[in-house]
Amino acid sequence: DQQVKQNSPSLSVQEGRISILNCDYTNSMFDYFLWYKKYPAEGPTFLISISSIKDKNEDGRFTVFLNKSAKHLSLHIVPSQPGDSAVYFCAASTMDTGRRALTFGSGTRLQVQP
Amino acid sequence: EADIYQTPRYLVIGTGKKITLECSQTMGHDKMYWYQQDPGMELHLIHYSYGVNSTEKGDLSSESTVSRIRTEHFPLTLESARPSHTSQYLCASSAMGQGALDNEQFFGPGTRLTVL
Repeated sequence: DQQVKQNSPSLSVQEGRISILNCDYTNSMFDYFLWYKKYPAEGPTFLISISSIKDKNEDGRFTVFLNKSAKHLSLHIVPSQPGDSAVYFCAASTMDTGRRALTFGSGTRLQVQP
Repeated sequence: EADIYQTPRYLVIGTGKKITLECSQTMGHDKMYWYQQDPGMELHLIHYSYGVNSTEKGDLSSESTVSRIRTEHFPLTLESARPSHTSQYLCASSAMGQGALDNEQFFGPGTRLTVL
């Protein structure tokens, strides 16, 4: 049972426009959420995170929104740049199993067209 | 920039061989992890360690084993490789702490393993 779902395997946007990547989760015990970016042949790199006590976190062009009632979070990239083209993974964290661990979604491939 | 290294980056090997995937970090992190990822799929945790001489199985069952004799080193071993082990293996580490410190994991570049 996949607890973190990224239902869009790919997304294509024009340079300068907004990219919105979505993530849904099922485990109400998740209390911290992260977005990672992954280029081919490289490991994921941390992008931005949000605690469950907040509903928004902003870092430059990147903003993450959390809707706890809907168990949904989204990553907004404004403006999108060609260098943002990568696979984006949503991850969620919980301590309910007695250890802090990340559960990842399957990723969304973002293509930013020049 | 994260200082976590994995070798080899790519490995093609025959069935039945013993292999060790190396992972080292220079950040002094107590926590280290191994993930397995197939193309287009999520990362699955297969092993983790919270410190020297501490190792635990992750969420995804794996025939591999790990050891943590030194803080900076967390190698993964497959005693007898099989084609079903073909995958990408990602090593990560994180610090002990609260909030972002506790949750943010730094990843190595990964090892892409192909077993023929």
